[in-house]
Amino acid sequence: EVQLVESGGGVVRPGGSLRLSCAVSGFTFDDSGMNWVRQAPGKGLEWVAGINWSGGSTGYADSVKGRFTISRDNAKNSLYLQMNSLSAEDTAFYYCARVWGLSGSYHGQPFDYWGQGTLVTVSS
Amino acid sequence: DIVLTQSPGTLSLSPGERATLSCRATQSIRSTDLAWYQQKPGQAPRLLIYAASSRATGVPDRFSGSGSGTDFTLTISRLEPEDFAVYYCQQYGTSSMCSFGQGTKLEIK
Repeated sequence: EVQLVESGGGVVRPGGSLRLSCAVSGFTFDDSGMNWVRQAPGKGLEWVAGINWSGGSTGYADSVKGRFTISRDNAKNSLYLQMNSLSAEDTAFYYCARVWGLSGSYHGQPFDYWGQGTLVTVSS
Repeated sequence: DIVLTQSPGTLSLSPGERATLSCRATQSIRSTDLAWYQQKPGQAPRLLIYAASSRATGVPDRFSGSGSGTDFTLTISRLEPEDFAVYYCQQYGTSSMCSFGQGTKLEIK
């Protein structure tokens, strides 16, 4: 059974940092491109960042570029999102999502499995 | 960047009725690069349709997708009680990024 489990969310002050993790199981992690998608409470979905199978190719939404860093550790079957310089606009549920298929890219295919999300609240 | 606009924002229908949801892009996208997701309260999104018209594994055949260029449609032929949710379109093939529409809420009338 494919499972993606996010962790690391919580309350952080504006300007602070947080590192999210996504532990995966049930599939060959280093075959798959991965992404982070966020959703502010009561709002729609926003793509945040993506990473290819090896970690050699990444992409970011303009809203987080220069502040967030996506990475992965294939030996640990884990995906990460380092978030710096956080502001209230970053408050959201953060989902990790697997890219469908075996291309290994983080784009070009839909997202077929999603975690349940972890909530990040930026507040003073 | 490609912006996806979904309409209507809210659709009020009764079980058994037909639902038609629209997704319009600001520039032409390949049909292979358009997906639809369903999200219920407190749950993660679920992939329904990919490549504009292909159903994902386990998706009932009352769900169908169509369209090309800038205009895409998700149709639910006969609504079941479990179909009332929020639906998002996504384009995933352009410029190493992807984007989502703002969503259509399908509610019980």
